[in-house]
Amino acid sequence: DQQVKQNSPSLSVQEGRISILNCDYTNSMFDYFLWYKKYPAEGPTFLISISSIKDKNEDGRFTVFLNKSAKHLSLHIVPSQPGDSAVYFCAASSGNTPLVFGKGTRLSVIA
Amino acid sequence: SAVISQKPSRDICQRGTSLTIQCQVDSQVTMMFWYRQQPGQSLTLIATANQGSEATYESGFVIDKFPISRPNLTFSTLTVSNMSPEDSSIYLCSVYSDSTDTQYFGPGTRLTVL
Repeated sequence: DQQVKQNSPSLSVQEGRISILNCDYTNSMFDYFLWYKKYPAEGPTFLISISSIKDKNEDGRFTVFLNKSAKHLSLHIVPSQPGDSAVYFCAASSGNTPLVFGKGTRLSVIA
Repeated sequence: SAVISQKPSRDICQRGTSLTIQCQVDSQVTMMFWYRQQPGQSLTLIATANQGSEATYESGFVIDKFPISRPNLTFSTLTVSNMSPEDSSIYLCSVYSDSTDTQYFGPGTRLTVL
């Protein structure tokens, strides 16, 4: 049973527009959520995180929104750039437990 | 952030053989993990590597198949034993940093079993 779900395997966005990547989770004990970006032949790199006590966290072009009642989070990238093309993984944890990952969404930003 | 290196970066192995993957971190960390990413799948936790004691394995993973060593706070190895084509995957070392409350990943080892 997947505890973290990314239902869109891929997404294409025009350069300069907003990219919205979605993630749903089922475990109500999760209290910390992260997004990782992965380029081919590299390990995932940390992008942005949010604690369950917040509903929004912003870092430059990246904003993560958390809706606890819907058990849903999303990553917004604006404006999208071709260098943002990668696979994005949503991850969650509770306490100090290891992260649980979604299957990832491949974002393609078209120039 | 922690800098993590893995060796080898990739390998092609024959069925029935074993491969040991090394993970080196540039600073002492309390928590180290090994993940697997099979084609088209999410990153799946194999085990937590405990310094000075046996690793803690997740459901579906056993020590005989994936023995792990962690002799100190900066180094760990994962062995994939008696390999079959189903073991073809990317294996990733990961560490948790107390100072940043974030998990970091190594570059991964791409394993192909023929």
